[in-house]
This record gives sequence, C-alpha cells and structure tokens, in this order.
Amino acid sequence: EADIYQTPRYLVIGTGKKITLECSQTMGHDKMYWYQQDPGMELHLIHYSYGVNSTEKGDLSSESTVSRIRTEHFPLTLESARPSHTSQYLCASSEYSGQETQYFGPGTRLLVL
Amino acid sequence: GDSVTQMEGPVTLSEEAFLTINCTYTATGYPSLFWYVQYPGEGLQLLLKATKADDKGSNKGFEATYRKETTSFHLEKGSVQVSDSAVYFCALGSFNDYKLSFGAGTTVTVRA
Repeated sequence: EADIYQTPRYLVIGTGKKITLECSQTMGHDKMYWYQQDPGMELHLIHYSYGVNSTEKGDLSSESTVSRIRTEHFPLTLESARPSHTSQYLCASSEYSGQETQYFGPGTRLLVL
Repeated sequence: GDSVTQMEGPVTLSEEAFLTINCTYTATGYPSLFWYVQYPGEGLQLLLKATKADDKGSNKGFEATYRKETTSFHLEKGSVQVSDSAVYFCALGSFNDYKLSFGAGTTVTVRA
C-alpha cells in the first residue's frame, strides 16, 4: 500500500491568487515528481526531485515552482493562478531509478476562475 | 530519446469480452516496462511490470509480455468486468534516468 498524500483534493480559486499544493510521502523515497494531467488524460512531467535540496524542471514548461526541504514533502506553488492553470496535478515518488515503480497520490483537481 | 506509443481510445466493450491494448516502445538499453491504471477520481496505481525480455507481468487477470524482438508490451485480459473501466497507461523506465516515459493513456469503458 502506497503512502503518498495530496491536499487539497479539490480547489476552486480566483485569478491572481497564490496557491500551494501539498504532497507528502511516508515511504522515505528520494525521488519525487509532479505531473499535470490534461482533460485527454495525458500526463506531463512538470517537476521532479532527486532528493533534499534538489529540484529540476520536467518535460512540460510550467509557471509553478517546487521546493524540497524535507525528504517527505514536495509542495508545488503557483504565485499567481490563471485559468490556464486549471488541471489535475498528480504527485508521485519512487525509491531509486526510473526502473522502479512510481507511487502516485490521489491528485489535486484545480479550477481557476 | 525513450518513448512509448500506445493504442488510442476510447475503447468500449461488453462485460466478459477480451481486451487488448497495444503498446510499443523505443529505447536504448534494457528498460523496464509498466502498465498503470487510473480509476475515476483517483491517482495512478501500478497494474503490472516486467523488467527484462520475455518476462510476463500479471495482476488482477491482466497480463503483458515484454517482447524485445517486436519492442512491444501489449496488455490483455480475457474477460473484462464493469469494474475494469479505467484509463490504462503504458510506461517505460530506464536505469540511468529517474523519469518514466508514459503513453497517452487509453480509456476503457466496460458495459454490463
């Protein structure tokens, strides 16, 4: 059973607001990831981290930022939300290399009005 | 770079029908291959995986065989149920990369 949590599950917010999506895992995994999932269900990697104090941009350019101060915590922040940020955001973690299983959280569905 | 191509959906089936979702890959080296499933309103969860050629992954009646000669990892289930309605993702992972390459996802709907 994977132990990876995301809050909030749903968020409706107005344009220009600052938001932080939380992601935590209790498995002690070094690698963590943020994906954006579009309405067609395709996944796009937007950020990842190798470990504490490591953050990298993913394959899809994103205006969001991330931080990794603790192993278990990988929050994603949007400084000024826009309607184009409306999407589902999925957090994941894995133990070692890309050949290892990634464990996913339940996702945050964001709607920016 | 490494990539995965999977069958486009949506796929609609009747209960007890046979399901196949095609997945082919391009990779250097010897990647691991995965099938993930996403049920409505949830995140992805691992369905099955295979780490080397000719390995067969299986779970919940689903099977997929890692075919290096055809660079394929097709997902099959002999008799689907309504509860199998979900989005299925094929994915590839390389030892020297921390990222997974996902296919576009295939939406499967099973009708009673």
